[in-house]
Amino acid sequence: DIVMTQSPTSMSISVGDRVTMNCKASQNVGSNVDWYQQKTGQSPKLLIYKASNRYTGVPDRFTGSGSGTDFTFTISNMQAEDLAVYYCMQSNSYPWTFGGGTKLELK
Amino acid sequence: EVQLVESGGGLVQPGRSLKLSCAASGFTFSNYYMAWVRQAPKKGLEWVATISTSGSRTYYPDSVKGRFTISRDNAKSSLYLQMNSLKSEDTATYYCARHPEPVAGVMDAWGQGASVTVSS
Repeated sequence: DIVMTQSPTSMSISVGDRVTMNCKASQNVGSNVDWYQQKTGQSPKLLIYKASNRYTGVPDRFTGSGSGTDFTFTISNMQAEDLAVYYCMQSNSYPWTFGGGTKLELK
Repeated sequence: EVQLVESGGGLVQPGRSLKLSCAASGFTFSNYYMAWVRQAPKKGLEWVATISTSGSRTYYPDSVKGRFTISRDNAKSSLYLQMNSLKSEDTATYYCARHPEPVAGVMDAWGQGASVTVSS
């Protein structure tokens, strides 16, 4: 199975910060990585698909990049409503696998 | 508005069975691949199953293969997950999700989840 390793596992941030998190695949997954946001007590929400495509209605402060084994997710201007856990997921080969998540907390 | 509503969760003893349902509305259910994803308490996400539009093709990780069966009834716009031989490690919230593209993992709509607890 492909292992998706997210770093860091948590971040203490302030509103207005630029936030960058990473996801590393144990083998080449092409551009088949998606990013999800999960707020406390809610179901996951798709933000980015195929590494860099912003899903419908997602604010442009959210961006994704990368290919192969290394992927990056960035929030350019952190808002309070962005506090959540963010997960990457590879869908290049079965079984599809998620990273362990990066939790954003207020400083 | 796309809506996915899970039901059927609860407390079940190890080794027993449980069937989850997901009622879909707001889109043409029969046109979409569908999936189940679970999340153990305080843990991350795990993909559990995917089914094709007709139901003829199904996909599972090894952790549930042979024990779980995903199915659908397009006439009722409903998705199901039959879970047999349940283990304590199957305790989780189970989400129903929609694949916007066939044979692609991305999931663009999720239900609110159904809680399953496997315990004696």
